Amino acid sequence: EDKVVQSPLSLVVHEGDTVTLNCSYEVTNFRSLLWYKQEKKAPTFLFMLTSSGIEKKSGRLSSILDKKELFSILNITATQTGDSAVYLCAVGRNNAGNMLTFGGGTRLMVKP
Amino acid sequence: NAGVTQTPKFRILKIGQSMTLQCTQDMNHNYMYWYRQDPGMGLKLIYYSVGAGITDKGEVPNGYNVSRSTTEDFPLRLELAAPSQTSVYFCASIFGGAGNTIYFGEGSWLTVV
Repeated sequence: EDKVVQSPLSLVVHEGDTVTLNCSYEVTNFRSLLWYKQEKKAPTFLFMLTSSGIEKKSGRLSSILDKKELFSILNITATQTGDSAVYLCAVGRNNAGNMLTFGGGTRLMVKP
Repeated sequence: NAGVTQTPKFRILKIGQSMTLQCTQDMNHNYMYWYRQDPGMGLKLIYYSVGAGITDKGEVPNGYNVSRSTTEDFPLRLELAAPSQTSVYFCASIFGGAGNTIYFGEGSWLTVV
């Protein structure tokens, strides 16, 4: 059975801290790994990773994929209160439905 | 360009009632999905469709039905609402082969009492 596991489940940090969120997966026909940020509404897209070892960056956020060890990390540096959200990892597969399998999410709270 | 539109946003149902969550997209996407998200959890796939006239079950299809008579619309029907169906429902769509850029609707909060 396909699995996507995120850790930690939740995290509380102070503004300015750096955090690392983890996502490990076991899926058949891996195609891509995606990170989303969810703040009370629909998830919003952050990154899509398809190749190992290539870091994707957007401002203070960055992510990297390790296809050999089957995991990805999402780093957030100099956290701000606006980074408080649930971060979801999802894996896309090469199948007829183009479906995504989601992890359970990591709830990040950034305190002032 | 409205993207993915879901209605209603909020609904309270009594046990045993039925209802339909509407989903429409105006991006000519061939793939459409219904996910549910329980509190503190990730999204679980209920049903999906790869094109008009074609639907298939996801991880958690029991208690739901879907249809896809047009490319734009993908309604989700709850026939006999149960408390276990209290959840947030997200409709999503994607253009196949476009690198998995999935577009989500705003969500529908459903409570069954």
